Amino acid sequence: NAGVTQTPKFRVLKTGQSMTLLCAQDMNHEYMYWYRQDPGMGLRLIHYSVGEGTTAKGEVPDGYNVSRLKKQNFLLGLESAAPSQTSVYFCASSTPTSGGYNEQFFGPGTRLTVL
Amino acid sequence: AQSVTQLDSQVPVFEEAPVELRCNYSSSVSVYLFWYVQYPNQGLQLLLKYLSGSTLVESINGFEAEFNKSQTSFHLRKPSVHISDTAEYFCAVSERGVGGSYIPTFGRGTSLIVHP
Repeated sequence: NAGVTQTPKFRVLKTGQSMTLLCAQDMNHEYMYWYRQDPGMGLRLIHYSVGEGTTAKGEVPDGYNVSRLKKQNFLLGLESAAPSQTSVYFCASSTPTSGGYNEQFFGPGTRLTVL
Repeated sequence: AQSVTQLDSQVPVFEEAPVELRCNYSSSVSVYLFWYVQYPNQGLQLLLKYLSGSTLVESINGFEAEFNKSQTSFHLRKPSVHISDTAEYFCAVSERGVGGSYIPTFGRGTSLIVHP
């Protein structure tokens, strides 16, 4: 199993450009998440999905859109990139258990710089 | 609403010394608690978790954490650290949310720096 993979690993954008980050998981997990990690801020949830075709906003959704057309993929889009979106982006997946808890499995991250 | 506070942003320690990384949470309902570790230039990976039962949980590499409901804490400890323990450590809490989903909230992280 590859687990959770993210594409690309690095990207440099100019202000106003758009791009899509791809997250894929091969564990048949129901839930998928996008986080951003900034120094001193920890992990902040951008958007998440509890199943194919459903998405929900997290703590910092502005400037981002997501889609979950297939269970194994979760896409994060930046329509018009801004320097404030320079960050490391992590995707994660999990599956609910009968107990309800969510142990998350994380991808290796995408380092995005917006100039 | 759930929240997590990691009281120390950075903890420097010498090799073979004991260490404690502090985590406090707030929640109005029963929670599940986690510690994740992030090694340099990698994603997070689960270190240990508290779901129910014994309040003391252990990881395979010598870390342990104790759930204290009265103090709403879940501190991480190791009696003797190694250089290889140098990493960022994140505490997370998960409680039942809207629609029955369990979406974790993370603390800001504690950077453990082990000196030789």
